[in-house]
Amino acid sequence: NAGVTQTPKFRVLKTGQSMTLLCAQDMNHEYMYWYRQDPGMGLRLIHYSVGEGTTAKGEVPDGYNVSRLKKQNFLLGLESAAPSQTSVYFCASRPGLAGEKETQYFGPGTRLLVL
Amino acid sequence: KQEVTQIPAALSVPEGENLVLNCSFTDSAIYNLQWFRQDPGKGLTSLLLIQSSQREQTSGRLNASLDKSSGRSTLYIAASQPGDSATYLCAGAPGGATNKLIFGTGTLLAVQP
Repeated sequence: NAGVTQTPKFRVLKTGQSMTLLCAQDMNHEYMYWYRQDPGMGLRLIHYSVGEGTTAKGEVPDGYNVSRLKKQNFLLGLESAAPSQTSVYFCASRPGLAGEKETQYFGPGTRLLVL
Repeated sequence: KQEVTQIPAALSVPEGENLVLNCSFTDSAIYNLQWFRQDPGKGLTSLLLIQSSQREQTSGRLNASLDKSSGRSTLYIAASQPGDSATYLCAGAPGGATNKLIFGTGTLLAVQP
């Protein structure tokens, strides 16, 4: 199992450009999450999904969109990138059926720099 | 709204010391409390998960406790090693099956050989 993978690992964008971050998991997990990590702020939840075809807003959803067309993939889109979106983005997944017993499994992160 | 705080922000200890990392949360209606490790430039690795009905969990040299009444969790690391150097994050799940996590800002640990 590859676990949770993220593409790309690093990207530089200019203000106003768009891009999509891809998260893939091969563990057949129901739940998937997108977080951003900023210095001094910890990880904050952007969007999440509780199953194929579903999405929901997290703590900081503005400026981002997501899609979960396939169970194994969760895409995070930036329609018009802003310097404030410079961050490290982490994807995570979780089985979803074990209730409070099950942790989340994290990908290696995508570093995004918006100039 | 659940808030999670970690103290200290950074800690440096000599190899072999036992140490305690602290995590506090504001809402005692917590689903579970988790401790993660993050190495520089890497993702998060789950260390221990304490369910709301539990008081502590142990894995090797690590022991995590949960006191819901006081809103605190501690991570105890015994006989620290240089390989333990990393950032340690605690996260609380406020409740509900979606298991959305609220993270603290982490404690950066350096174990000096």
